[in-house]
Amino acid sequence: ILNVEQSPQSLHVQEGDSTNFTCSFPSSNFYALHWYRWETAKSPEALFVMTLNGDEKKKGRISATLNTKEGYSYLYIKGSQPEDSATYLCAFLISGTYKYIFGTGTRLKVLA
Amino acid sequence: DTEVTQTPKHLVMGMTNKKSLKCEQHMGHRAMYWYKQKAKKPPELMFVYSYEKLSINESVPSRFSPECPNSSLLNLHLHALQPEDSALYLCASSQGRTADGYTFGSGTRLTVV
Repeated sequence: ILNVEQSPQSLHVQEGDSTNFTCSFPSSNFYALHWYRWETAKSPEALFVMTLNGDEKKKGRISATLNTKEGYSYLYIKGSQPEDSATYLCAFLISGTYKYIFGTGTRLKVLA
Repeated sequence: DTEVTQTPKHLVMGMTNKKSLKCEQHMGHRAMYWYKQKAKKPPELMFVYSYEKLSINESVPSRFSPECPNSSLLNLHLHALQPEDSALYLCASSQGRTADGYTFGSGTRLTVV
């Protein structure tokens, strides 16, 4: 059984704070790691596609890093805003398959 | 069109009913997926269709029956479900087995009574 773990499970921060979450995945059979932002009653929104060890991606105030050798990825949010409140999911694509396994998610609440 | 459309958005069905969930995309994606998500849990993979053929069945009970009539459409037929099957059912599509991000629908919220 392949586990993709995320921590923390939930997080409350004040507006303006910076924060980060972790996604841990198996270091073998790696093909890609994706980050999603998911608001209630909406579709998960793709944030980053990460494929190479050492990848760093950035979109506005949000950035992500990838370490495939040790099996983790970090998502950073700088200067959190209330509209950043959502569940952040990572998903791991197993090499050679269509198996796409989601992490357990981090629920972020940004307080105004 | 860059969306995955799922219908209906909400469904309540009895344990003896037969119903179907529908998923549609017009992005030319050749892989389509069904996921089941229970509250506070990550989405769990159920089925994968690749080029209209069933590629993965994650040991899903036979009361769930997927169907891919064409490359744009994916159905999930439901029969004799149990209350514990109540969940959010998400459909997704991708351009084959690719490192690119997947596109998700907003899901069907199913309640079995």
